[in-house]
Amino acid sequence: NAGVMQNPRHLVRRRGQEARLRCSPMKGHSHVYWYRQLPEEGLKFMVYLQKENIIDESGMPKERFSAEFPKEGPSILRIQQVVRGDSAAYFCASSPPWPAGKDTQYFGPGTRLTVL
Amino acid sequence: GDSVTQMEGPVTLSEEAFLTINCTYTATGYPSLFWYVQYPGEGLQLLLKATKADDKGSNKGFEATYRKETTSFHLEKGSVQVSDSAVYFCALRGNNAGNMLTFGGGTRLMVKP
Repeated sequence: NAGVMQNPRHLVRRRGQEARLRCSPMKGHSHVYWYRQLPEEGLKFMVYLQKENIIDESGMPKERFSAEFPKEGPSILRIQQVVRGDSAAYFCASSPPWPAGKDTQYFGPGTRLTVL
Repeated sequence: GDSVTQMEGPVTLSEEAFLTINCTYTATGYPSLFWYVQYPGEGLQLLLKATKADDKGSNKGFEATYRKETTSFHLEKGSVQVSDSAVYFCALRGNNAGNMLTFGGGTRLMVKP
C-alpha cells in the first residue's frame, strides 16, 4: 500500500508565477489535510478537504491560495502570484473517514517551494 | 485557541544518553496528543500518541505520558542512538478542531557517537 504521494518534491518559481502542488492520498483515504512549514518552524494547518468538499479552510491565507480535492485525481494546492514569503515546505496528510480516521494522519514527503 | 510549546533545540547528546524533550499544551477539554519525528529531507512520521489522561504512548523505545494535571506530554528515551537524530514535533488534536493538528515548533536532536 503506497503511502501519501506528493509532487513535485521541489518546486522553484519566480515572484508572480503560479505554483501547483499535488497530493495523492493513501488508498482508501478520503480526507486530505494541507500544512505549511516555514523554515525552522513547526507545521501550521492550512485546509482540510474531503472529496469535492472543503471542510475547514481556517488556516488558508485569504488571498492567492486555494485548494481542491476533486472526485477523481489528486488534491491540488494552488498558490497564485507567489511571493518570497511563500517559500516553505508544504505537507499533505491523509486519513480514512471517521471514526477510523480519528487521530490518524499519514504524512507525505512534502513539496519544498522556493520563490526567487 | 489551542497551542503547543516544546523546548527549543538543538539538543545534543552522546550515544546511550537519556533523552527528555519537554512539551506542554493549552487546549480546552481533553485533546489527543502526539509526537511526530521528521528525518532530514523527509515528511513526518507518527512516533506515538495518547488519547486520554494518564495514557502512555510508546514506540521504538520512546515513551510519553499524558499528564492532564500539568498539561504535559514529555518525550523520553532511556538510551539514544545516532539514528535517532531528527526533529521531533509535539502536536495535539483539540476536541473541537475536527481532525486538524496543532504543532509545536519542533526540537532538533543531535546524537553524537
